[in-house]
Amino acid sequence: EAAVTQSPRSKVAVTGGKVTLSCHQTNNHDYMYWYRQDTGHGLRLIHYSYVADSTEKGDIPDGYKASRPSQENFSLILELASLSQTAVYFCASRPQGAGQDTQYFGPGTRLLVL
Amino acid sequence: GQQVQQSPTSLVLQEGENAELQCNFSTSLNSMQWFYQRPGGSLISVFYNPSGTKQSGRLTSTTVIKERRSSLHISSSQITDSGTYLCAMERDSGYNKLTFGKGTVLLVSP
Repeated sequence: EAAVTQSPRSKVAVTGGKVTLSCHQTNNHDYMYWYRQDTGHGLRLIHYSYVADSTEKGDIPDGYKASRPSQENFSLILELASLSQTAVYFCASRPQGAGQDTQYFGPGTRLLVL
Repeated sequence: GQQVQQSPTSLVLQEGENAELQCNFSTSLNSMQWFYQRPGGSLISVFYNPSGTKQSGRLTSTTVIKERRSSLHISSSQITDSGTYLCAMERDSGYNKLTFGKGTVLLVSP
């Protein structure tokens, strides 16, 4: 069974502060993703990575940075947190390539920016 | 505009009734997937369905790529089916990126 963990599970941050969300997977998957979920918007892709030491912009990358220091770890960084970044953040991993496989999601991090 | 449209937005059933959830997409894609999410919970894959019909227990997914639609049928609904069902299209631009619909919130009452 795929295992994706996230930390912290919840966080309260102040506007303008720096926030780092961490994701760790033990699946040996090459691909990793960061999504945010908001009421009325569903899940939207922020950043993704297909190999360690490389990240790519997703659909809504503004205000976010990502870091993939190893195959297992993928971080999402909010350098200057804003109220609009209050949301639930999900990390996911997936094996590389074609085939009938899916993305495996972590439990989510609930972020509240005040 | 919204590339993935789900309907209905919400649905209330009595236990034992059937449900039909729809997903329509506006761009080309590789496959369609369905996920289930409990309130406050994570996403769990229900179906990976690039085309045709797949069944798993009381759940059936049908995807017709050329018509750009997918459906999820739940038969004999149970209280434990309550939650949000999200469809997602896997884009053909590589790296298996997903675009999600906004979800259908299902409530099954006794």
